[in-house]
Amino acid sequence: KNQVEQSPQSLIILEGKNCTLQCNYTVSPFSNLRWYKQDTGRGPVSLTIMTFSENTKSNGRYTATLDADTKQSSLHITASQLSDSASYICVVSFWMDSSYKLIFGSGTRLLVRP
Amino acid sequence: KAGVTQTPRYLIKTRGQQVTLSCSPISGHRSVSWYQQTPGQGLQFLFEYFSETQRNKGNFPGRFSGRQFSNSRSEMNVSTLELGDSALYLCASSPTTGALKRDYNEQFFGPGTRLTVL
Repeated sequence: KNQVEQSPQSLIILEGKNCTLQCNYTVSPFSNLRWYKQDTGRGPVSLTIMTFSENTKSNGRYTATLDADTKQSSLHITASQLSDSASYICVVSFWMDSSYKLIFGSGTRLLVRP
Repeated sequence: KAGVTQTPRYLIKTRGQQVTLSCSPISGHRSVSWYQQTPGQGLQFLFEYFSETQRNKGNFPGRFSGRQFSNSRSEMNVSTLELGDSALYLCASSPTTGALKRDYNEQFFGPGTRLTVL
């Protein structure tokens, strides 16, 4: 079954600290993997997109890594800021029956405290 | 460039009613996708329209339908509302469609419409 699982479900860190969010997927064949940031009450905003041939991609203080062999991705946030408090969603796309599909993880809710 | 806009932002309906939500994509974008987001199920894909044609569909009942106009604006309709339809409905636009096998099908989300069914 095609699934995307994220961990932890929630995380609290102090401002200035680093953190890493995990995404494991069982989707096959894999097309690309994305990380989104969603502030409360707003739509998700894309952070990174990676295809199976890419190992890492950065967007400012956000760095995503991908291991297509183990089907794992991580999102590393460096020097966290209060504005990083949000939900982070991992999305995997794939092809099935000639149709393009997206599977969303349930997200990690991050709270950055001063 | 203006972002994706959705109207209305908030809506309250009662069971059995129907509702129409509207989405205006970013200028020049031809693909519009709709998603339902609930605390229990997370984000779930409803359908995608590209050049007025439905290109992709999620696993939702026929009560959920949509359409796209020649100016790429899209509407989503839910008939015979149920309590479980209460959710944040998100629209996302893209310059291309994933059906074209493009690796980077970047999607830009709107703020969503919060639907409450009483």
